[in-house]
Amino acid sequence: DQQVKQNSPSLSVQEGRISILNCDYTNSMFDYFLWYKKYPAEGPTFLISISSIKDKNEDGRFTVFLNKSAKHLSLHIVPSQPGDSAVYFCAASRPPYTGGFKTIFGAGTRLFVKA
Amino acid sequence: GAGVSQSPSNKVTEKGKDVELRCDPISGHTALYWYRQSLGQGLEFLIYFQGNSAPDKSGLPSDRFSAERTGGSVSTLTIQRTQQEDSAVYLCASSPPGQGAVEQYFGPGTRLTVT
Repeated sequence: DQQVKQNSPSLSVQEGRISILNCDYTNSMFDYFLWYKKYPAEGPTFLISISSIKDKNEDGRFTVFLNKSAKHLSLHIVPSQPGDSAVYFCAASRPPYTGGFKTIFGAGTRLFVKA
Repeated sequence: GAGVSQSPSNKVTEKGKDVELRCDPISGHTALYWYRQSLGQGLEFLIYFQGNSAPDKSGLPSDRFSAERTGGSVSTLTIQRTQQEDSAVYLCASSPPGQGAVEQYFGPGTRLTVT
């Protein structure tokens, strides 16, 4: 039962161009969505999040878009840099203060940014 | 400041042996999580501790898995009678107290190999 799906295992982009990473979810109870970035031999690091009451959140080169009706979110990186090459995990969360913990991670998408 | 630390970084054990994995969360973080990542898979939730509340053990795959958190800080994940399917990277994360603190800070993980 994959509640959070990242259907593209890998993505290759030229430096300077836009990277678009996609994520789909099935459960409407999630109220926060997050993106994490992971380099080899390191733990994931938090990148950006979005509340379900918003449809866009931007932080520098990173923008996350949320389409609740389609249960779809995407991460845009522009311009892409070689240092962005990593595995990106999408996560859907119900915060602990709601009385229960639930964070589901996708399988990840490996991004290659070519110089 | 110091991040989440985990030890050992790598562990090779024989099938049937017990193993203990340690996590030191960021000081002051009240929430602590254990995940595992099998090859090519996403992060699988195992267990969640929040302050003095009873832990959420709903992700533990079998009764061979247990975890404790002493003094609200350090946590140990114990796997008894290890099996080859337990081979994975075990990740620990913590998060600070307060509403809206949904992002988690991950350690580098412990790579467990059961031979």
